[in-house]
Amino acid sequence: DVKVTQSSRYLVKRTGEKVFLECVQDMDHENMFWYRQDPGLGLRLIYFSYDVKMKEKGDIPEGYSVSREKKERFSLILESASTNQTSMYLCASRPWGQGPHQTQYFGPGTRLLVL
Amino acid sequence: SQELEQSPQSLIVQEGKNLTINCTSSKTLYGLYWYKQKYGEGLIFLMMLQKGGEEKSHEKITAKLDEKKQQSSLHITASQPSHAGIYLCGAVPNAPPLVFGKGTRLSVIA
Repeated sequence: DVKVTQSSRYLVKRTGEKVFLECVQDMDHENMFWYRQDPGLGLRLIYFSYDVKMKEKGDIPEGYSVSREKKERFSLILESASTNQTSMYLCASRPWGQGPHQTQYFGPGTRLLVL
Repeated sequence: SQELEQSPQSLIVQEGKNLTINCTSSKTLYGLYWYKQKYGEGLIFLMMLQKGGEEKSHEKITAKLDEKKQQSSLHITASQPSHAGIYLCGAVPNAPPLVFGKGTRLSVIA
């Protein structure tokens, strides 16, 4: 059974705090992704990684950074949390390639509230 | 860049009724995924379509990809409360990140 886990389901932080969101997958996937989901805006890609220590900016990278030191783990970092970063954060992973079996799997999400 | 438009944005149906959700791409699709998301949770993979004219079914949910590979539809037969949630389509581009539609919120009322 495929599994993508996220460190927290709910998180409450204060403005200015450094926030770490962790994602772990057990499928040996090369690609990992961080999205945020907001009402009316859908899923927006923050960062993705296609290999260890590799990262690429997505559509909305400002205010975020990422770390991928091990293949199974992809961390999203909010250097100084702000209220406009209150959102649902979703991690996903996918194997390399574009074939029909390269399904992208998602974690359960972390709902972050920044006060 | 590729964009996906889903319609309708939201849908309220009576239990037992059929419904259809559409996903239209601005470019030819290499492949298309359908996901379901229960409120406040992650996305669950439903099915993937790759060939023009392809149709797949899982329980009471059927997805089709048109021959031109620019439009897909998701059809639910005899809807149940368990079908409620947000349905998202995602397109496989040439590079790793999937492109997603904004989702269709489905409510099923008794």
